[in-house]
Amino acid sequence: TQLLEQSPQFLSIQEGENLTVYCNSSSVFSSLQWYRQEPGEGPVLLVTVVTGGEVKKLKRLTFQFGDARKDSSLHITAAQPGDTGLYLCAGVGSGTYKYIFGTGTRLKVLA
Amino acid sequence: DTGVSQDPRHKITKRGQNVTFRCDPISEHNRLYWYRQTLGQGPEFLTYFQNEAQLEKSRLLSDRFSAERPKGSFSTLEIQRTEQGDSAMYLCASSSIEPNTGELFFGEGSRLTVL
Repeated sequence: TQLLEQSPQFLSIQEGENLTVYCNSSSVFSSLQWYRQEPGEGPVLLVTVVTGGEVKKLKRLTFQFGDARKDSSLHITAAQPGDTGLYLCAGVGSGTYKYIFGTGTRLKVLA
Repeated sequence: DTGVSQDPRHKITKRGQNVTFRCDPISEHNRLYWYRQTLGQGPEFLTYFQNEAQLEKSRLLSDRFSAERPKGSFSTLEIQRTEQGDSAMYLCASSSIEPNTGELFFGEGSRLTVL
């Protein structure tokens, strides 16, 4: 069974601080995505990474896919209250379009 | 296009009753997914369709759960003989084959409360 463990589970920080969220698995994924979900809404895609070692930047967010394609990280620089939400990683294995979601990291950025 | 729509948004039922949720995906999307999510947790995979074919189904899903997508458009998820443990948000998502960006577009979910 493919599992994606995220850490930390909860994070409460002050505006302007930096943070990193981790997504780890013992399984290899052909691609990995990061989503953000706000209360009462469905998750919304932030980024997709497909190559081991790949780094993608989206404004203040930096995403990295592990060399072995088993893990990923999300780094936020100078967090803002608008970054508050539930961050989810999701992986898909080869030969399938079944997306497995991580356990989630709930981020709260205080003004 | 109005995106993925789910109905009803909220359902309260008594234990033992049957419930059915409907999902209308984005019109040109071939793949449709059902997930279950409890508060603060990540979505748990239930099943997915490509057109009308149900390609994968979670082994966590008991035989009380059934999903259909008869014409490859909308889908229904039925839960028979509901239990309190079924209380959750049921999320539907769709994605396209062409172009195959891999992005899942989610609806706002159907929240089920079993009393």
